[in-house]
Amino acid sequence: AQSVTQLGSHVSVSEGALVLLRCNYSSSVPPYLFWYVQYPNQGLQLLLKYTSAATLVKGINGFEAEFKKSETSFHLTKPSAHMSDAAEYFCAATELTADKLIFGTGTRLQVFP
Amino acid sequence: SAVISQKPSRDICQRGTSLTIQCQVDSQVTMMFWYRQQPGQSLTLIATANQGSEATYESGFVIDKFPISRPNLTFSTLTVSNMSPEDSSIYLCSVEGQANTDTQYFGPGTRLTVL
Repeated sequence: AQSVTQLGSHVSVSEGALVLLRCNYSSSVPPYLFWYVQYPNQGLQLLLKYTSAATLVKGINGFEAEFKKSETSFHLTKPSAHMSDAAEYFCAATELTADKLIFGTGTRLQVFP
Repeated sequence: SAVISQKPSRDICQRGTSLTIQCQVDSQVTMMFWYRQQPGQSLTLIATANQGSEATYESGFVIDKFPISRPNLTFSTLTVSNMSPEDSSIYLCSVEGQANTDTQYFGPGTRLTVL
């Protein structure tokens, strides 16, 4: 069964610094992969997704993620953090033959001035 | 993407009572999903609801505890029955995108506290 692992439940960066949030998936079949962001007291917003097209995926708010099959990874990056990026970030995967999303445990990003 | 609303946005309930959460979408969708997010944790799928058929529940979730209705292509309800404090969570509905059926879009969630 598919599983998603997010390394680091909390990540802290300074404003303007690189953001790197890690995500690994377990399936031997490359799944569809997603990053969602959850701001305080809000629902989930789709940041970006990988669906077997380009391996480097660009999303909203300056975020991007690179699918690396050899590493079974889908890490999320942003070159320069902004205070407004402070939120909970969830990596999720769905297998090609199933509709259900499997979520990682989430990473809380803090941005310091 | 679809615009999804949920009612209520939050509620505080007494142990032993039931709460019905509504999810409304501004367009017709085939598949709707209900998730639970327990405090400080990730999202767990409760069930998948297709219009015109019984909901499909994930392991650990049963219809008697979480009955779901899906009367049409734009609406669904989730009831949390005979609540206990362990049911305190955020409950989110999501829908499959129309143009992007491989993507789920989420509602704002219902924050439930059971005393």
